[in-house]
Amino acid sequence: GENVEQHPSTLSVQEGDSAVIKCTYSDSASNYFPWYKQELGKGPQLIIDIRSNVGEKKDQRIAVTLNKTAKHFSLHITETQPEDSAVYFCAAWRDNYGQNFVFGPGTRLSVLP
Amino acid sequence: SAVISQKPSRDICQRGTSLTIQCQVDSQVTMMFWYRQQPGQSLTLIATANQGSEATYESGFVIDKFPISRPNLTFSTLTVSNMSPEDSSIYLCSVGVAGVGDIQYFGAGTRLSVL
Repeated sequence: GENVEQHPSTLSVQEGDSAVIKCTYSDSASNYFPWYKQELGKGPQLIIDIRSNVGEKKDQRIAVTLNKTAKHFSLHITETQPEDSAVYFCAAWRDNYGQNFVFGPGTRLSVLP
Repeated sequence: SAVISQKPSRDICQRGTSLTIQCQVDSQVTMMFWYRQQPGQSLTLIATANQGSEATYESGFVIDKFPISRPNLTFSTLTVSNMSPEDSSIYLCSVGVAGVGDIQYFGAGTRLSVL
């Protein structure tokens, strides 16, 4: 089955710097890759996603890139702000194979003022 | 997107008792999911609940321990039965939004502590 690894497990950046979180997946048939942000005491919030027919997607300060050959995808946050501090989870999903996401272990991002 | 309400938001329970968690969605959805998130850990799928059929459980989770109901397209419950301290976790409901394929939205979760 699918296995998703995520690095780093913790990341500290200065406010205004960029942050990059990388995930690798094992099942080459996976074709949907969402990113979730979980703030303390809250449920995961979908912040951006990408499908396998696209190499990059951007939404304001957040972008996701996908390298299907290498089987990895990355979350890029530019101009980080203190409110970006949270745990970020990536996930992989395979079309027509049930509806089961496989989540990465998470990255705790701290943006220091 | 979908607005998902979970009740209770948190609870402290005694060993051996059971707790039923409710998940209400503001629109009709085909797929509803229940996840467990142990302290400081990632999300693990417990089961998939489709209206009109039995829930499908993932490896390591059984119906006797985590019975699920799905009476209609906007509501589901998860019961954590015969609880032990090892059941202390966050339990999350999510929904798959019909018409947009695989996107899942999550509720705020139920924080359960078992003494």
